[in-house]
Amino acid sequence: SQQGEEDPQALSIQEGENATMNCSYKTSINNLQWYRQNSGRGLVHLILIRSNEREKHSGRLRVTLDTSKKSSSLLITASRAADTASYFCATGIYNQGGKLIFGQGTELSVKP
Amino acid sequence: DSGVTQTPKHLITATGQRVTLRCSPRSGDLSVYWYQQSLDQGLQFLIQYYNGEERAKGNILERFSAQQFPDLHSELNLSSLELGDSALYFCASSVASGNSYEQYFGPGTRLTVT
Repeated sequence: SQQGEEDPQALSIQEGENATMNCSYKTSINNLQWYRQNSGRGLVHLILIRSNEREKHSGRLRVTLDTSKKSSSLLITASRAADTASYFCATGIYNQGGKLIFGQGTELSVKP
Repeated sequence: DSGVTQTPKHLITATGQRVTLRCSPRSGDLSVYWYQQSLDQGLQFLIQYYNGEERAKGNILERFSAQQFPDLHSELNLSSLELGDSALYFCASSVASGNSYEQYFGPGTRLTVT
């Protein structure tokens, strides 16, 4: 079964608006990563947040992590049409090598 | 371009057949991962190799096997194929073994079993 559940499953916004995606997971984690996938293509790494971090920024991306609630959120500010893609959270578990467990993803559509 | 290459891009085969998917990691990366993506199961981790050795295993079927060669390229072998094996198969690589490293994904191999 999937470790992560993402919410919402689909999100449609206008260019310039902010997009927020949420991820919840079940077990204790070592870190959490966010990836983007354009339709049917390979995933692209966006950002990694470690279990002892609460917030991280990268350009227009802001990620938060609340280990007490086992949840994370990805905020994309000032969205662009090029941000249209599926976004996945992926959790790394202690002592399981490089294994990442992916959520089901949020499909983001940014309308120009 | 992630630097990870996968061949072939598309594969169409019949039930009961066997296929081999190939992956070349980014230059310098020692870990290779295989993932399966389907509409009903989502993105599932199959297996990881690090410098030729199996490092982590996921929900990989017994009909599937993989290996990493001395030149670090990897192959995923799928046998006795079933309709349900139709999916997008991704290879990814990272510089080291742990899950704190960014994984670079290849473009995928789309397998269709008829």
